[in-house]
Amino acid sequence: DTGVSQDPRHKITKRGQNVTFRCDPISEHNRLYWYRQTLGQGPEFLTYFQNEAQLEKSRLLSDRFSAERPKGSFSTLEIQRTEQGDSAMYLCASSPGTGTLSSGNTIYFGEGSWLTVV
Amino acid sequence: AQSVTQPDIHITVSEGASLELRCNYSYGATPYLFWYVQSPGQGLQLLLKYFSGDTLVQGIKGFEAEFKRSQSSFNLRKPSVHWSDAAEYFCAVVNNDMRFGAGTRLTVKP
Repeated sequence: DTGVSQDPRHKITKRGQNVTFRCDPISEHNRLYWYRQTLGQGPEFLTYFQNEAQLEKSRLLSDRFSAERPKGSFSTLEIQRTEQGDSAMYLCASSPGTGTLSSGNTIYFGEGSWLTVV
Repeated sequence: AQSVTQPDIHITVSEGASLELRCNYSYGATPYLFWYVQSPGQGLQLLLKYFSGDTLVQGIKGFEAEFKRSQSSFNLRKPSVHWSDAAEYFCAVVNNDMRFGAGTRLTVKP
């Protein structure tokens, strides 16, 4: 078990460019989550997958953001036409099991992908 | 709607002193509660969690937390702080997704 892996760890991009982050969850974890964290704040929920199905999206996930998990394993988070306000750390997490998160499974986080939009 | 409040933005304690980090939640049903720790530039590591049963929960690195329903609190404690405990600490509550507090930054003085 190598934990949740995220790539790249750091990305600097110019405003208006597109960026894509990849997340590899813990093997056999059915659920995968994306969070965004800005400086001085706790992580904010963005979206959640159960296998390949995207089950919930936060209102924070504007139409410039898209997340996929095509084969129910790794996931990508793409941000189109980046804005300076998108600068943040994007955290991926995974957990085992099925059903709602309130069934009591623990979420395991990756080390995050830092995005700086200049 | 569920929410989590961490009243203390920044706490400084001396090495070897005891620590208590406060967490208050707002949630209609019995909550699932977590404490995570985050070192600068890193992801979140789970310290401990409460689902049900014994209200005093033991975690890693010598941390414990006590769930008090009457006070809607889940405060994190450690009897003797080490310099390596300096980090950001997040309390979280779960419904269908995990909601985090704003965090408490812990500084440890030598």
